[in-house]
Amino acid sequence: QKEVEQDPGPLSVPEGAIVSLNCTYSNSAFQYFMWYRQYSRKGPELLMYTYSSGNKEDGRFTAQVDKSSKYISLFIRDSQPSDSATYLCAMSDPDTGRRALTFGSGTRLQVQP
Amino acid sequence: DAGVTQSPTHLIKTRGQQVTLRCSPKSGHDTVSWYQQALGQGPQFIFQYYEEEERQRGNFPDRFSGHQFPNYSSELNVNALLLGDSALYLCASSLTDQETQYFGPGTRLLVL
Repeated sequence: QKEVEQDPGPLSVPEGAIVSLNCTYSNSAFQYFMWYRQYSRKGPELLMYTYSSGNKEDGRFTAQVDKSSKYISLFIRDSQPSDSATYLCAMSDPDTGRRALTFGSGTRLQVQP
Repeated sequence: DAGVTQSPTHLIKTRGQQVTLRCSPKSGHDTVSWYQQALGQGPQFIFQYYEEEERQRGNFPDRFSGHQFPNYSSELNVNALLLGDSALYLCASSLTDQETQYFGPGTRLLVL
């Protein structure tokens, strides 16, 4: 079983829709959670970074962390065709010296105009 | 403010050859991590360098080695290339006391 599970998609939505992307994880030691966006043949771009359980909002993006359920989400409001990309969740456990990021496999999102 | 840069952008090698990939971190960052991303997968951690030493290593064989220079730039070396080494190699930089890592555009390696 992978430490971080993420539905690969593809997820196809119409422009303007609210998108929900999710990851589950098995290692309760993970404390830092990140969402990256990766366009085709490019490097991942950091979108959101959270530490505590709860919600964090940045423009059209909201990151949600539920440590008790080991479940994280990224919501995109008013989705645009330019949001079409692969979204990767990542997490780390620095308190044990584990500074490597553990990634999900990514969810491919397509926003149809 | 220059972000993370990597060179070359693309590379084609044959089995058994050796390759060196290069990375310059974001300005002010002192820690460099390397990841391998196979097609359709998330990045897999190879190793991390800080103060010119390997601080942490993922589950990769000794064929993968690295180096960090005094200016914080870094190299990834892969010896005895296998077909399965074909992937996008990503460099990420960070400050040593912060968790957020910023990625470069990657080097796409094809092993024939």
